[in-house]
Amino acid sequence: QVQLVQSGAEVQKPGTSVKVSCKASGYTFTGYYMHWVRQAPGQGLEWMGWINPNSGGTNYAQKFQGRVTMTRDTSITTAYMDLSSLRSDDTAMYYCARVRLYSGTYYFDYWGQGTLITVSS
Amino acid sequence: DIQMTQSPSSLSASVGDRVTLTCRASQGIRNDLGWYQQKPGKAPKRLIYAASSLQSGVPSRFSGSGSGTEFTLTISSLQPEDFATYYCLQHNSYPWTFGQGTKVEIK
Repeated sequence: QVQLVQSGAEVQKPGTSVKVSCKASGYTFTGYYMHWVRQAPGQGLEWMGWINPNSGGTNYAQKFQGRVTMTRDTSITTAYMDLSSLRSDDTAMYYCARVRLYSGTYYFDYWGQGTLITVSS
Repeated sequence: DIQMTQSPSSLSASVGDRVTLTCRASQGIRNDLGWYQQKPGKAPKRLIYAASSLQSGVPSRFSGSGSGTEFTLTISSLQPEDFATYYCLQHNSYPWTFGQGTKVEIK
């Protein structure tokens, strides 16, 4: 069965970086794009970008350009999201989510359990 | 960026009620829209894709409609397990954008 298992919660200081991992299993890792979505406490969902695990190509939301880096390690079927220059408003639950392309449309079909990143001095 | 506006922001309803949630796009997005359900402390769950196609395993009381700029999610007979927050997501152009959510609460 498809599973996306994310790394554990972290507390980081402002100005530092954090790297969240998303271990995929139960499917061909390189066959599906992986997206990252975040959710601040009590707020809505915010799309951050995607990585193509096959090529390593990426597409980031303009809001995060220059601060976010998405990578992958195909040998261990894991995707990573690195966010730098952390601010207090980066405090959020971060999700990885697999996207399926089906009949010419897309949807998120599997999600990780989420990783809570708290930015606090 | 395409703005997605959901209405209402919240609603109170009773078990058995028919409820309709609306999502409006700031520009036409064809039918490049999905609906997701999120319960507290959980990741979102897929409900509808391509505006009106029901995801496998989702109860038939859920239905979606619309195209272009106006979309609806209807729950024909609200069940206790349906109390949650619902989000629309457009994937017509980057950045993909979510609506702000509609919270469905028990009356």
